Amino acid sequence: DIVVTQSPDSLAVSLGERATIHCKTSQSVLSGFSKLNYLAWYQQKPGETPKLLISWASNRESGVPDRFSGSGSGTDFTLTISSLQAEDVAVYYCQQYHGPPPKTFGQGTKVEI
Amino acid sequence: EVQLVESGGGSVQPGGSLRLSCAASGFTFSSYWMTWVRQAPGKGLEWVANIKQDGSAEYYVDSVKGRFTISRDNGKELLYLQMNSLRAEDTAVYYCARDPPGGNAYYFDLWGRGTQVIVSS
Repeated sequence: DIVVTQSPDSLAVSLGERATIHCKTSQSVLSGFSKLNYLAWYQQKPGETPKLLISWASNRESGVPDRFSGSGSGTDFTLTISSLQAEDVAVYYCQQYHGPPPKTFGQGTKVEI
Repeated sequence: EVQLVESGGGSVQPGGSLRLSCAASGFTFSSYWMTWVRQAPGKGLEWVANIKQDGSAEYYVDSVKGRFTISRDNGKELLYLQMNSLRAEDTAVYYCARDPPGGNAYYFDLWGRGTQVIVSS
């Protein structure tokens, strides 16, 4: 199984500042055929259901503010919130979906103000 | 409205059984891979099982293999998770999630609100 590790486990960022979350997979999730990275990012606000933010490592979902961006390739990925807003307080998860199941998640990163 | 609504959770003793259901609406259920994801209290997300559009393939995380069975009824637009031989470590909120369109199992673009399962004596 592919192991997914996020860092840090938590971080505190001032309003308007940048938040950066890292995600590392134990194997490459880059498809040699499609040249796509099979990695997604989710946001889970307190008491709420997870919400898909980014797929294919950098493809922002419709309706997601452009302050959220994803980057990286192979085994190392980053979610960046360029200017943190109060409503961005949440736990963020990365998930790999390369190859056969299980489609594993990282342990989560808690973002606070 | 496009949505997933889970039901069937509850409290059960270790060794007991529960069957979770997930009702889909607002989209062509039979066109999507479907998945169960769980979240233990205060913990992260764990992929549990998924099933192909026509039910011809299903996969499980190792910790539930032989105890849980995922199934679907495309005519009724329902997804199920039969959970047997439940253990304390199965205690979690169980989410039903939809894979994106296109035929393969990838990430999850639609989630239900979840149903709570508590396994305790």
